[in-house]
Amino acid sequence: DAGVIQSPRHEVTEMGQEVTLRCKPISGHDYLFWYRQTMMRGLELLIYFNNNVPIDDSGMPEDRFSAKMPNASFSTLKIQPSEPRDSAVYFCASSTLHHSYEQYFGPGTRLTVT
Amino acid sequence: AQTVTQSQPEMSVQEAETVTLSCTYDTSENNYYLFWYKQPPSRQMILVIRQEAYKQQNATENRFSVNFQKAAKSFSLKISDSQLGDTAMYFCAFEGWTSYDKVIFGPGTSLSVIP
Repeated sequence: DAGVIQSPRHEVTEMGQEVTLRCKPISGHDYLFWYRQTMMRGLELLIYFNNNVPIDDSGMPEDRFSAKMPNASFSTLKIQPSEPRDSAVYFCASSTLHHSYEQYFGPGTRLTVT
Repeated sequence: AQTVTQSQPEMSVQEAETVTLSCTYDTSENNYYLFWYKQPPSRQMILVIRQEAYKQQNATENRFSVNFQKAAKSFSLKISDSQLGDTAMYFCAFEGWTSYDKVIFGPGTSLSVIP
């Protein structure tokens, strides 16, 4: 398996633009997680899905952020409009079953909003 | 709410020596899981070791072992025979049985292995 795939790896955009981050989880994994990592706040869970259904989105910072999982092999995290404070590395992770199972992380997307 | 604390932002160790990274957590749950993840400069997050709270025996994975003290809510990571490839950020993480699969990560410890 190729592991968790994220695209793009790097994104530079101007403030106010829409940004869409993409994730393909490992085949057969039924949990998908979106994290944001910054120097100031560390690694934060934004939202996670189970069987394509959002379970907990309490970490989503505000209405400018939205996430979807239209099928078991694809998820998006969208920021509209983007702001400089959204600059961070965004990770997608997937896992199988639940409780104590390893989360497999993608390589991350480094987002820079100017 | 559960919290995870790593009190050492940065550490360094000489190659081939042993180093211990500290982690404490706060929870009211009796059953939970604890993890150590490694993030090298490549940014890839990798699971290093996992511990079930109901197991008294400390987990080990080759050169990596933990000292799990449930009463003290402490979960330290010991790296023996440190290698240059161990240079990375290390994150302690917690998942409670009632937290519906949410993993709480600590702030991380940056470890540098010096040749």
